Amino acid sequence: DAGITQSPRHKVTETGTPVTLRCHQTENHRYMYWYRQDPGHGLRLIHYSYGVKDTDKGEVSDGYSVSRSKTEDFLLTLESATSSQTSVYFCAIRSRGTTDTQYFGPGTRLTVL
Amino acid sequence: DQQVKQNSPSLSVQEGRISILNCDYTNSMFDYFLWYKKYPAEGPTFLISISSIKDKNEDGRFTVFLNKSAKHLSLHIVPSQPGDSAVYFCAASYLSGGYNKLIFGAGTRLAVHP
Repeated sequence: DAGITQSPRHKVTETGTPVTLRCHQTENHRYMYWYRQDPGHGLRLIHYSYGVKDTDKGEVSDGYSVSRSKTEDFLLTLESATSSQTSVYFCAIRSRGTTDTQYFGPGTRLTVL
Repeated sequence: DQQVKQNSPSLSVQEGRISILNCDYTNSMFDYFLWYKKYPAEGPTFLISISSIKDKNEDGRFTVFLNKSAKHLSLHIVPSQPGDSAVYFCAASYLSGGYNKLIFGAGTRLAVHP
């Protein structure tokens, strides 16, 4: 258990509305990540953070923004949700040490109607 | 262009037998490989990993083999148990812009039946 929680766990919204997903961790990890999981694609990196106020884009960042004002919270925002953003979103942290193991939160299932 | 491929979307195995899940990759710069297990409505759980300087890593019933010349890795589960039924993702780690990132395969759904 890497001490990661995600909220909300489920959300249904309408096209064009803004949505913010929250990832919260309790173990002071520096690196945090947002992924989306879709059938046939595995997990794809949306954005990542390597510290407070330090973020960068992943491979599928269009339509998403992130913010990290505190070590423990990493927020993912869909400024104007589209149906193509219906997905399951996972937050992850990277453990300290010599390996690159990432540990995942429980996920948020988002449906955009 | 999928750099990490799991070509079998599903696998069915009898309890007690060996399960072999396969993964192929294209980028020779990957330096670390991981396997994750995922149950429905849960996040992926780290299972086992292997560095590119090794060819085998074992942890209980789980063994990962790496064949760098073939750019292929496999996960062996012996003996398979019904609780192993899940989706398994392989992932490869690489350095980009000074930071490590993971690329995931599409997953293989393993069903272990009694």
